[in-house]
Amino acid sequence: AQSVTQPDIHITVSEGASLELRCNYSYGATPYLFWYVQSPGQGLQLLLKYFSGDTLVQGIKGFEAEFKRSQSSFNLRKPSVHWSDAAEYFCAVGPSGGSYIPTFGRGTSLIVHP
Amino acid sequence: DTGVSQDPRHKITKRGQNVTFRCDPISEHNRLYWYRQTLGQGPEFLTYFQNEAQLEKSRLLSDRFSAERPKGSFSTLEIQRTEQGDSAMYLCASSNPHQETQYFGPGTRLLVL
Repeated sequence: AQSVTQPDIHITVSEGASLELRCNYSYGATPYLFWYVQSPGQGLQLLLKYFSGDTLVQGIKGFEAEFKRSQSSFNLRKPSVHWSDAAEYFCAVGPSGGSYIPTFGRGTSLIVHP
Repeated sequence: DTGVSQDPRHKITKRGQNVTFRCDPISEHNRLYWYRQTLGQGPEFLTYFQNEAQLEKSRLLSDRFSAERPKGSFSTLEIQRTEQGDSAMYLCASSNPHQETQYFGPGTRLLVL
């Protein structure tokens, strides 16, 4: 069975500082990996995804993530955080076939100080 | 290009009442998914359709929950005899077949008093 761990429930950064959100997954084969962002009271917006190929993936809003098979990780990064990035971030792992039903982590809440 | 829409956005009901939510997927998407999200948690899969066929249901989907997609377009999720534990955000997502990326609607927030 697939699973996702986001070890940080909350992360606080200052505006302009760099950001790294951690995600570790468990899956028996090469997974599909996703990062979504959720603003309060809203649905989820896809930031980026990894299916295969280059392990450094670029997404929207200046985010990137790196797939590291040896560490079973898919950490999300941004070099300079903006106040509008404050939101809940979810990592998800999906099977590479079939119903494509992803399993989500519990999320990391990003707080941005001015 | 319209995204996934859900109606209503908020619903307050009393315990024991029935509620129904609607989801309209992106028009060319054949697959439609329902998730439940409780406070402080990620979305949990409930069920999904390919066209009008309901192909998989989670064990989370008790017999009080039923979902339909009669014409392979919009879908409804009904909860009968609501309980306080049903209070959550109900999210709908859609995708094309053989596409791994799901696009989410804004959700319906249910509060059962």
